[in-house]
Amino acid sequence: GIQVEQSPPDLILQEGANSTLRCNFSDSVNNLQWFHQNPWGQLINLFYIPSGTKQNGRLSATTVATERYSLLYISSSQTTDSGVYFCAVGSNDYKLSFGAGTTVTVRA
Amino acid sequence: DTAVSQTPKYLVTQMGNDKSIKCEQNLGHDTMYWYKQDSKKFLKIMFSYNNKELIINETVPNRFSPKSPDKAHLNLHINSLELGDSAVYFCASSQDSLLNYGYTFGSGTRLTVV
Repeated sequence: GIQVEQSPPDLILQEGANSTLRCNFSDSVNNLQWFHQNPWGQLINLFYIPSGTKQNGRLSATTVATERYSLLYISSSQTTDSGVYFCAVGSNDYKLSFGAGTTVTVRA
Repeated sequence: DTAVSQTPKYLVTQMGNDKSIKCEQNLGHDTMYWYKQDSKKFLKIMFSYNNKELIINETVPNRFSPKSPDKAHLNLHINSLELGDSAVYFCASSQDSLLNYGYTFGSGTRLTVV
């Protein structure tokens, strides 16, 4: 299956800071999604982004499929941004494979 | 109106028992999934159904049996529970099985086997 590597594994931010999370994958994909798992365990779909750039409020994501990576940008971070951010990719086997996640802690 | 709802939210049970987790989606999606999240937060697919038909069956013990009575429901039955089954189980749905759309997850069921 496709290997998914996320970096950094942990990130501590001061409220108001910007950050970039990275997702590298080992093969071509036709599906890439970013999720946020909040401290209560709920998994929220942030972006469906197999290629290109999307923005949603303070969050944006870019996937460069030809170079096999995706980036998630968090701007002006807030304490509610804390949690684990997962990148998940899918290919011809129709399975969505998750990375190990980046744990983000935003301090007030 | 919850899009993907799972019940129960918490389940504590003894080894050897049989238990079920229910999942329902009101999004009109064709495809539903069960994922398992372990203690290190790693998410792994277990099963997928498309219009009531099993399409993904990962290497899980056959004590786990999914059932889809219709495309809006996907239940997970677990026989002879073991300590290692303790985890959070997530149900999810998507518009199709071809990875053309994003996934919507339920809020999870935390299973603790004692």
